[in-house]
Amino acid sequence: DADVTQTPRNRITKTGKRIMLECSQTKGHDRMYWYRQDPGLGLRLIYYSFDVKDINKGEISDGYSVSRQAQAKFSLSLESAIPNQTALYFCATSDSGTGTTEAFFGQGTRLTVV
Amino acid sequence: EDKVVQSPLSLVVHEGDTVTLNCSYEVTNFRSLLWYKQEKKAPTFLFMLTSSGIEKKSGRLSSILDKKELFSILNITATQTGDSAVYLCAVYSGGYQKVTFGTGTKLQVIP
Repeated sequence: DADVTQTPRNRITKTGKRIMLECSQTKGHDRMYWYRQDPGLGLRLIYYSFDVKDINKGEISDGYSVSRQAQAKFSLSLESAIPNQTALYFCATSDSGTGTTEAFFGQGTRLTVV
Repeated sequence: EDKVVQSPLSLVVHEGDTVTLNCSYEVTNFRSLLWYKQEKKAPTFLFMLTSSGIEKKSGRLSSILDKKELFSILNITATQTGDSAVYLCAVYSGGYQKVTFGTGTKLQVIP
């Protein structure tokens, strides 16, 4: 089983719909992240959470919201999806206790907004 | 604004060749630079570099950081088709865990 699991893996949705992407981890890490990846733009940070009560906006948070339901779960919501949110979304985790910034990524969710 | 620039954007080589991938950065309060390999979906960690001039090695891959000139290189010797992937450079900076990714270098190794 993957240490960082994202659901769904693929999703097609219509403009204006609300959609939630979920991420769960079994690594016991305290830090969790949501990124989106677009061709030619690399990975960009949407939101990050250092623990359950600490949530922060990243580089491109507009149009997104998150919820850290537990240390192991971090969900990303698109309240009203728009076509330019079509992208590959990654959840990642890291452990503040290791002194490194190495991130472990989920397998990604390919979201298409039509 | 923090920037991470990778070059080349893409590269096609033959098996057995040696390649050098570049990552240059401009960030405030540099903390670390990481290299990842992305084959199909999830990026996987390769190296973390924090100190200048210390080479990290793992098999045929090696990487080094130059904090004075603000760049890092990733070398792959005796390339194999399994090395075909997008290689991502990420720089961590600032007082919190701010991370900036480069756009990646797409490497294709042909037999």
